Amino acid sequence: EPEVTQTPSHQVTQMGQEVILRCVPISNHLYFYWYRQILGQKVEFLVSFYNNEISEKSEIFDDQFSVERPDGSNFTLKIRSTKLEDSAMYFCASRDGTSGGAVDTQYFGPGTRLTVL
Amino acid sequence: LAKTTQPISMDSYEGQEVNITCSHNNIATNDYITWYQQFPSQGPRFIIQGYKTKVTNEVASLFIPADRKSSTLSLPRVSLSDTAVYYCLVGPANFGNEKLTFGTGTRLTIIP
Repeated sequence: EPEVTQTPSHQVTQMGQEVILRCVPISNHLYFYWYRQILGQKVEFLVSFYNNEISEKSEIFDDQFSVERPDGSNFTLKIRSTKLEDSAMYFCASRDGTSGGAVDTQYFGPGTRLTVL
Repeated sequence: LAKTTQPISMDSYEGQEVNITCSHNNIATNDYITWYQQFPSQGPRFIIQGYKTKVTNEVASLFIPADRKSSTLSLPRVSLSDTAVYYCLVGPANFGNEKLTFGTGTRLTIIP
């Protein structure tokens, strides 16, 4: 079964540093998402991306966050200047968007654990 | 999106059938009910989706009464590997391009 992959599995960084989290969505999927989950808390939506532009973003997704699909296969989340409170699991998800009447669910990757020191 | 209410936690023994009920009193006419499963340190995984009556797949069954104000996820003959958090989500079919809004879910613990 095709799956979403994410790298790295764990990223440790110093406060104020830039990080880039990488995702490879399922091939031929058209919709892409980033979510995060702070330890012990709910899974929270960050941003959705379609047709090379942001479709929707949450209040969490402020100016320090950006997303990009640089080469048609990767989907990245950049945090420009990390803060302690950015420590969380970050999940990428993708969705087909062309399955017509069938269930068209979001498929999640295994996540990247970001630790900001 | 309709608000959902589900138990915070449940315990069950291996081999038992587990039923997790979700309340969604304000479900809209065009809303579907979707369940996701999340293992520790992994992303959520789609289990099942339904609109009314009963839906069954290789993993679970979903029972939805006529008024659709609640739904029950049924896991037959659970094993230790079914220990996870289970989320009930209610929204338009396929959620369109909308974000998924997760609640706190039900933490299911399977006891040997």
